[in-house]
Amino acid sequence: DQQVKQNSPSLSVQEGRISILNCDYTNSMFDYFLWYKKYPAEGPTFLISISSIKDKNEDGRFTVFLNKSAKHLSLHIVPSQPGDSAVYFCAASGAGNMLTFGGGTRLMVKP
Amino acid sequence: NAGVTQTPKFQVLKTGQSMTLQCAQDMNHNSMYWYRQDPGMGLRLIYYSASEGTTDKGEVPNGYNVSRLNKREFSLRLESAAPSQTSVYFCASSEALSGYTIYFGEGSWLTVV
Repeated sequence: DQQVKQNSPSLSVQEGRISILNCDYTNSMFDYFLWYKKYPAEGPTFLISISSIKDKNEDGRFTVFLNKSAKHLSLHIVPSQPGDSAVYFCAASGAGNMLTFGGGTRLMVKP
Repeated sequence: NAGVTQTPKFQVLKTGQSMTLQCAQDMNHNSMYWYRQDPGMGLRLIYYSASEGTTDKGEVPNGYNVSRLNKREFSLRLESAAPSQTSVYFCASSEALSGYTIYFGEGSWLTVV
């Protein structure tokens, strides 16, 4: 049973526009959420995180939103750049649970 | 800053051969992990070590063994490689199992023919 799901396997966005990547989770005990970015032939790198006491966290062009009642988080990238093209994984942990990863969304930013 | 270092980066094995993937972290983390990633799939946990001296099975442990050699090092062994083990393997570490960011190595590409 997948506790963390990314329902969109891919997303294509024009350069300069907003990219919105979505993630849903089922375990209400999760209280720490992260996004990772992965380029081909490299390991995943940590991008941004949010704890359940917040509903928004911003770092430059990247903002993560958390909707606890809907068990949903999203990553907004504004403006999108071609260098943002990568696979993005969301992950969640909490209450003694290890980090659980979603299946990933491949983002393609077209010049 | 080395972070998580894993070796080798590339390896080709024949079916039935054995090999060990090595991993070391220099962040004084307590917890370490081995994941695999297959085309079109997410990251699947093979084994993890919550702290030095402990290891536990993850989602896909069959065909693998691990050793937490010390706090820094966590190795993954394939005793008798099978084509189904062709994958990219990632080692990772974190301060503790829950509530902390996991940091990944650059990956090891393994092909079993």
